[in-house]
Amino acid sequence: AQKITQTQPGMFVQEKEAVTLDCTYDTSDPSYGLFWYKQPSSGEMIFLIYQGSYDQQNATEGRYSLNFQKARKSANLVISASQLGDSAMYFCAMSFRTGTASKLTFGTGTRLQVTL
Amino acid sequence: DVKVTQSSRYLVKRTGEKVFLECVQDMDHENMFWYRQDPGLGLRLIYFSYDVKMKEKGDIPEGYSVSREKKERFSLILESASTNQTSMYLCASSFDRMGIGNTIYFGEGSWLTVV
Repeated sequence: AQKITQTQPGMFVQEKEAVTLDCTYDTSDPSYGLFWYKQPSSGEMIFLIYQGSYDQQNATEGRYSLNFQKARKSANLVISASQLGDSAMYFCAMSFRTGTASKLTFGTGTRLQVTL
Repeated sequence: DVKVTQSSRYLVKRTGEKVFLECVQDMDHENMFWYRQDPGLGLRLIYFSYDVKMKEKGDIPEGYSVSREKKERFSLILESASTNQTSMYLCASSFDRMGIGNTIYFGEGSWLTVV
């Protein structure tokens, strides 16, 4: 069965520093996708970045990069130059196909707090 | 921009009441999902639908049912609300049925309290 594990319930980082949020996954399917979402206190889910299982290069989107290590089954999110507005809950997720459709399964999340 | 709209942001219901949570998407997406979010548990899939009148159970379907009579609308039904269903409910949609690279778009969430 597909599973996402986020082992850091909470993280602190100083403003302007980089931070890595950990994510490991488990699947036997060769084809899958990995996502990171940000959830501010308002509750909306904001898409940050995507990595496909066959992508050779690590995905980057502005200050966000995904450190994809396929053999280790890890998909860590790196946020460079943290800002106060980065304080939020961050979820790692994996998409996979069932017999009928594609689904998304989530980790338990990491709450990031950016301090001055 | 894709918009996923959940009809109610905050609801308070009594134990035993029938509760409807409505979700509408405006981009002709095939897949629609209902998730439940609880602290420390992340998002858990309740039900999903890949076509009109088609539905499949997710990881925690007990106590819930769904309806998809039109492509753009996906409803979550709590037949007899219980206090352990107090939670935040998130609706989501994605473009095509089998695509694993499609961005999943979420609604703003519905905070349900059952008293």
